[in-house]
Amino acid sequence: EIVMTQSPATLSVSPGERATLSCRASQSVGDNLAWYQQKAGQAPRLVIYGASNRATGFPATFSGSGSGTEFTLTISSLQSEDFAVYYCLQYNKWAPYAFGQGTKLEMK
Amino acid sequence: EVQLVESGGGLVQPGGSLRLSCAASGFPFSNYWMQWVRQAPGKGLVWVSHINTDGSSATYADSVKGRLTISRDNAKNTLYLQMNSLRAEDTAVYYCTRMFWTGYPDYWGQGTLVTVSS
Repeated sequence: EIVMTQSPATLSVSPGERATLSCRASQSVGDNLAWYQQKAGQAPRLVIYGASNRATGFPATFSGSGSGTEFTLTISSLQSEDFAVYYCLQYNKWAPYAFGQGTKLEMK
Repeated sequence: EVQLVESGGGLVQPGGSLRLSCAASGFPFSNYWMQWVRQAPGKGLVWVSHINTDGSSATYADSVKGRLTISRDNAKNTLYLQMNSLRAEDTAVYYCTRMFWTGYPDYWGQGTLVTVSS
């Protein structure tokens, strides 16, 4: 069973600054890694898929990187609407999936 | 427009049963794998189960294996989750998601709340 670990649990950043969120897999997942944004009371939204591909509706300020076991989601210039909880997910259709525990991105 | 609408949630006693439904529209349902994800109140996302296009193969999280069963009816464009022997720890919002062909969930429903309590 693959375990996904996100860090930090909470990240406090000022609007306009850069945020860097990390996700580590207990074993290699290749590039089968997605990131989701969830705001209070809402369903999650896909942000990044394939480790580095930006989903429709998200600006170029969002970027994903990494492969194997280490992944990063970077938001280069935070806007007010970007403050939310972010989850990473490793996916492989032929095996159980696993989410990280989430990183809460809060306004400083 | 892709739409996923869950229903069937509610209050159930420990040991009871419930069946969730997810009505899909706006895409060729029978061409896509589907899955269920849950989220306990104030907690993170937890993958529950996924099912292949014709319903012949499903995978489950260890925590639900033997108690929850995923299925689908392609003629009705509907995904199901049969929940038996429910426990307090099954209390959560249950989301239905569509899986893009490479595997990641790309569309999510708004969720349905299941509360297991006496």
